[in-house]
Amino acid sequence: QKEVEQDPGPLSVPEGAIVSLNCTYSNSAFQYFMWYRQYSRKGPELLMYTYSSGNKEDGRFTAQVDKSSKYISLFIRDSQPSDSATYLCAMSFNTGNQFYFGTGTSLTVIP
Amino acid sequence: DGGITQSPKYLFRKEGQNVTLSCEQNLNHDAMYWYRQDPGQGLRLIYYSQIVNDFQKGDIAEGYSVSREKKESFPLTVTSAQKNPTAFYLCASADATTEQYFGPGTRLTVT
Repeated sequence: QKEVEQDPGPLSVPEGAIVSLNCTYSNSAFQYFMWYRQYSRKGPELLMYTYSSGNKEDGRFTAQVDKSSKYISLFIRDSQPSDSATYLCAMSFNTGNQFYFGTGTSLTVIP
Repeated sequence: DGGITQSPKYLFRKEGQNVTLSCEQNLNHDAMYWYRQDPGQGLRLIYYSQIVNDFQKGDIAEGYSVSREKKESFPLTVTSAQKNPTAFYLCASADATTEQYFGPGTRLTVT
């Protein structure tokens, strides 16, 4: 069983839709949770960073962590064609340690 | 202008040759990482370093070597022992808050 599971998609939505991206994990010791956006042939860009459980909002993006269910989510409101990318979840146990990544979900927002 | 630089962006080598990929950061981060990304497989950790003059093997270290002589630099050598070296290589660094940032990547093609 992989440490982090993420549905690869692809996911296709119309412009303006609310997008929900999810990851599940197996190790309850994970404390730090991240979402990255990666455009084709580019390095991943850190979108959201959360410590432990709870919600975090940044503009159109909301990250949720449910440690009891070992489940994290990224919501994108009012999706735009420029949001079309691969979204990667990542998590780690502690500072400076190894990071564990999902395989990424490919998202296309159709104008 | 702070960030992580990787050079070159594209690299071509003949089979049997060693090649070194450069990674430099001016973010004053202690930890640095090398990942390999193949289509459909997400990010796989090659090596990481939490401090100068120290590094640890990741999940796929065979056929690769690294050094960490300076805090700013973490070069990766792809040796001739690496059976399938053609891939997109990503360098990253992280600070004490565990926020990990990526460079733009180097696409290596070995023929």
